[in-house]
Order: sequence, then C-alpha cells, then structure tokens
Amino acid sequence: NAGVMQNPRHLVRRRGQEARLRCSPMKGHSHVYWYRQLPEEGLKFMVYLQKENIIDESGMPKERFSAEFPKEGPSILRIQQVVRGDSAAYFCASSNRQGAYEQYFGPGTRLTVT
Amino acid sequence: TQLLEQSPQFLSIQEGENLTVYCNSSSVFSSLQWYRQEPGEGPVLLVTVVTGGEVKKLKRLTFQFGDARKDSSLHITAAQPGDTGLYLCAGRSGNQFYFGTGTSLTVIP
Repeated sequence: NAGVMQNPRHLVRRRGQEARLRCSPMKGHSHVYWYRQLPEEGLKFMVYLQKENIIDESGMPKERFSAEFPKEGPSILRIQQVVRGDSAAYFCASSNRQGAYEQYFGPGTRLTVT
Repeated sequence: TQLLEQSPQFLSIQEGENLTVYCNSSSVFSSLQWYRQEPGEGPVLLVTVVTGGEVKKLKRLTFQFGDARKDSSLHITAAQPGDTGLYLCAGRSGNQFYFGTGTSLTVIP
C-alpha cells in the first residue's frame, strides 16, 4: 500500500496523558501536513513539515502540541497532558514538494480523551 | 484567516437528480482542490484546478474554477447513492491549504 498511513486509527487517553500520532507519507513524498477536524467543523491546518524541518507551524496551539518529521521514520504529532477539548480526528497529508498543488490524506487518527 | 464558505451545508436529493455545490471566498488562491470524505475516513482528492476559468470533468462531475480564482463549483449530473458523502473544497495560499466546512450530500435511492 503506497498510500499515506496513520496509526493508530483510534486512540483513547485519559486527561493528563500524552498522545503520539504517527504518519508515514506516500512513497516518494517528503512533505507532511497535519490537520485537526472537530465535529461539525472543517479541517484546520496545524503544521507543515519537511524532513527534519518545520516549515510552517502557525496553526499549532502554542502549548502542549509539537510535531517532528525525522530523517528516518514517520512524522509524529505529540500532544502532552491531553484535555477533553483535544478529542478530534487528526489527519496527515503528504505531498512530493513544497508548493505542490496536491496533497493526499491518510485515514486519520481518532483521539478520544476521557 | 482565509475563509472558504461552502453552500449548501446539507443537501438531500433523489437518485438521478442534478446538483451544484459552491465554494466561495474573498481571497485568491493559487489552486483549489475538491475532496470527498466518507465517515471515519480521510478526504479523497477528486480534482485540482489551477487556472482561472478552468473547467474539469470527471465522469458525471464537473468542476469549475472562477475567473478570479476566488471561487469554485462542483456540479454532479444524475446523482447516484454512491455519491453520498461530505464534499470539501480547499484553496492553497502560500504553504497552507484552507478548507471549507463542507457540503454533506445524501442521495436517496
């Protein structure tokens, strides 16, 4: 399967725990975007990364959220000390270059904070 | 924040009918994409339009990008139950893609 992969598909965390969401881009893609989708809301941009670089993190909450895309391995979106308001679907998308017109989405990770 | 407004928000039609979904903004985008998303899944890219005035056809779906590259429309001819889903438009500006809130389409057999 050469598509964008995300895991886990579902993640349950208690308030105060950490959540780690992983995204493996499409083969040949080196650019990753992370989005959050809340019920009844659209997809909201969080962060745009290239391997080993954060290109644009203007959509990331200032606290508790971080993202990385190491030289080897998947991109990671990390949420520390989760709160109920973090419950949402988190999607990543990949593209093959900066400025690409198109991006391709993974199936998402549904985070539930209890 | 660059806003993309989609209309209608909800649409329920009978199989065989035609429909048009709109995506409007006051901002100019370098490209605009249309996606369809089904419950529990990620958005699936349907088309990208780049040039103002561009029209693309994908079987029964026709996509148009406005001359000023601020708006777009999606027209579906002879809708089928398999067309049911959430249709999202997204405009690219700089490094970011800005998404509309979507049109939820239900096609009744």
